[in-house]
Amino acid sequence: GESVGLHLPTLSVQEGDNSIINCAYSNSASDYFIWYKQESGKGPQFIIDIRSNMDKRQGQRVTVLLNKTVKHLSLQIAATQPGDSAVYFCAENYDQGAQKLVFGQGTRLTINP
Amino acid sequence: GAVVSQHPSWVICKSGTSVKIECRSLDFQATTMFWYRQFPKQSLMLMATSNEGSKATYEQGVEKDKFLINHASLTLSTLTVTSAHPEDSSFYICSATQTGNLYEQYFGPGTRLTVT
Repeated sequence: GESVGLHLPTLSVQEGDNSIINCAYSNSASDYFIWYKQESGKGPQFIIDIRSNMDKRQGQRVTVLLNKTVKHLSLQIAATQPGDSAVYFCAENYDQGAQKLVFGQGTRLTINP
Repeated sequence: GAVVSQHPSWVICKSGTSVKIECRSLDFQATTMFWYRQFPKQSLMLMATSNEGSKATYEQGVEKDKFLINHASLTLSTLTVTSAHPEDSSFYICSATQTGNLYEQYFGPGTRLTVT
């Protein structure tokens, strides 16, 4: 069935370094993907999205890469800051008519000083 | 813009009672609202989708008679957990899509429900 998963449940990086968070999805028909950041006790916060007709999209300090051949999604965060510490979820839009999202299991990113 | 609020932010109730959670879009009209549940250290799981003025569509395994959803206006959806039990303790999060932008979901801050 449809599922979105993450390769690593936890990731620790030094402040200032770049981080890469990976995600695998299973529904090749999904046409929209989003990365969310969730801090403890809060709702998900939109970071960046990408449609299936693109393979790369850049935002402020973040880049999302989409590889449809292997159904892989990644989030790159440049020059990480303490405020980047959170759980990051990828999500895919698998039911275009209903605009439903399936979330991955999440990766906890910890920024070490 | 595109702010979604939830009320209450946390609630404690006794087993067997019902509790209502509100989800409001503050500065836009929400075509569709979604309700998610998130257990500790787990991902968000979609419970149901609601459109204003129509019955909610529940995901497989979610009891519609237990989780009552009402979407009475374009800015308000409510989730009522009926006859709550300790296993219903969770973080409930709503999201909304804006008319004309059906792809992006705006999430509320979540409601922590603890059933004792």
